[in-house]
Amino acid sequence: AQKVTQAQTEISVVEKEDVTLDCVYETRDTTYYLFWYKQPPSGELVFLIRRNSFDEQNEISGRYSWNFQKSTSSFNFTITASQVVDSAVYFCALSEFTGNQFYFGTGTSLTVIP
Amino acid sequence: EAQVTQNPRYLITVTGKKLTVTCSQNMNHEYMSWYRQDPGLGLRQIYYSMNVEVTDKGDVPEGYKVSRKEKRNFPLILESPSPNQTSLYFCASSLSNQGGPDTQYFGPGTRLTVL
Repeated sequence: AQKVTQAQTEISVVEKEDVTLDCVYETRDTTYYLFWYKQPPSGELVFLIRRNSFDEQNEISGRYSWNFQKSTSSFNFTITASQVVDSAVYFCALSEFTGNQFYFGTGTSLTVIP
Repeated sequence: EAQVTQNPRYLITVTGKKLTVTCSQNMNHEYMSWYRQDPGLGLRQIYYSMNVEVTDKGDVPEGYKVSRKEKRNFPLILESPSPNQTSLYFCASSLSNQGGPDTQYFGPGTRLTVL
């Protein structure tokens, strides 16, 4: 069965600290896609990244980086030098190659304290 | 502006009174989906549609219906709402999932309260 686990329910950090949000997934498929979304206090869902299972290279986008490790079925998200605007709920999601269904984790609520 | 719109944004209703939440996208996307978001449970998929006239159940379809008569619209129907359907609902669309799941773009959400 497909499953996404975000074990960290809430995290608080002080501004400028680095923070890593964990995402562990389960799937029987060899081809699948992983996603991260951000939900700021205003409530909308903002796409951050899409990664397929064949691409294990880590990705960096500004202060954001993602570490994909198939060996541990993890797709962790790191924010470097956190800012107050990073305060949000972050969701990790999984979809298999057929692309019909999406499975979201329960989310991690990040608070960045000024 | 490319977007997914949902109406209404907020709705308070009573048990058993049929309601429809509309969803429309202007991006010519083939794939559309409905989710509900509940505290501690994240987002759970209710129904999805790969294209016009093609719909299928997600993880939590009980108590909901959908239809996809046109590419741009994907309404969510609650025939007889119950209090356990009080939730935040999101509609999403993506270009196509034929070659693997594409990035979904979400509507602004509909907060539904069933008394």
